[in-house]
Amino acid sequence: ELKVEQNPLFLSMQEGKNYTIYCNYSTTSDRLYWYRQDPGKSLESLFVLLSNGAVKQEGRLMASLDTKARLSTLHITAAVHDLSATYFCAGTGNQFYFGTGTSLTVIP
Amino acid sequence: DVKVTQSSRYLVKRTGEKVFLECVQDMDHENMFWYRQDPGLGLRLIYFSYDVKMKEKGDIPEGYSVSREKKERFSLILESASTNQTSMYLCASSLGGTGNTIYFGEGSWLTVV
Repeated sequence: ELKVEQNPLFLSMQEGKNYTIYCNYSTTSDRLYWYRQDPGKSLESLFVLLSNGAVKQEGRLMASLDTKARLSTLHITAAVHDLSATYFCAGTGNQFYFGTGTSLTVIP
Repeated sequence: DVKVTQSSRYLVKRTGEKVFLECVQDMDHENMFWYRQDPGLGLRLIYFSYDVKMKEKGDIPEGYSVSREKKERFSLILESASTNQTSMYLCASSLGGTGNTIYFGEGSWLTVV
């Protein structure tokens, strides 16, 4: 069974700063997803990474995948308050395997 | 846009009651899922279905059952609710096969007292 670990679990950062969320997974994953969840809301798909070296960017968020290291990262550039949310990564096999989430708070 | 609709956002039920959580998707997706979300534990898969009348157990099926009589509708049933089933329940759907993007509903907050 695929195990997915995220760190940190909680992240408090100042506006304008950069930071990275890490997602490690235990065995081969067909795809790697990143989701965002706002408080009291559902999960929204941000990125899907399909192959080694894949990089995707949307605004201040950039996701990358290193299949050899079994590692995906979500990099936040010049954080703004609107990015405050919980971010989940998920690997896929015969089902989705979610990490426990990283709760991000951006402080003015 | 894909829409996954969960009929009840907030429910309070008594221990021992039978609870139905309903979910409807409008994109003709083959796969439907029920997850449970708890702080510190992330999302855990309860059941999923890849076709009408088909169901597969996920990681935590105990105490739950499901029904999929129509392609667009997937119901989660708690036969006899217990306090440890107090949680947020998320329904989701995706195209057939594995690895396709999962689209989630807004969630149902269930409190069992």
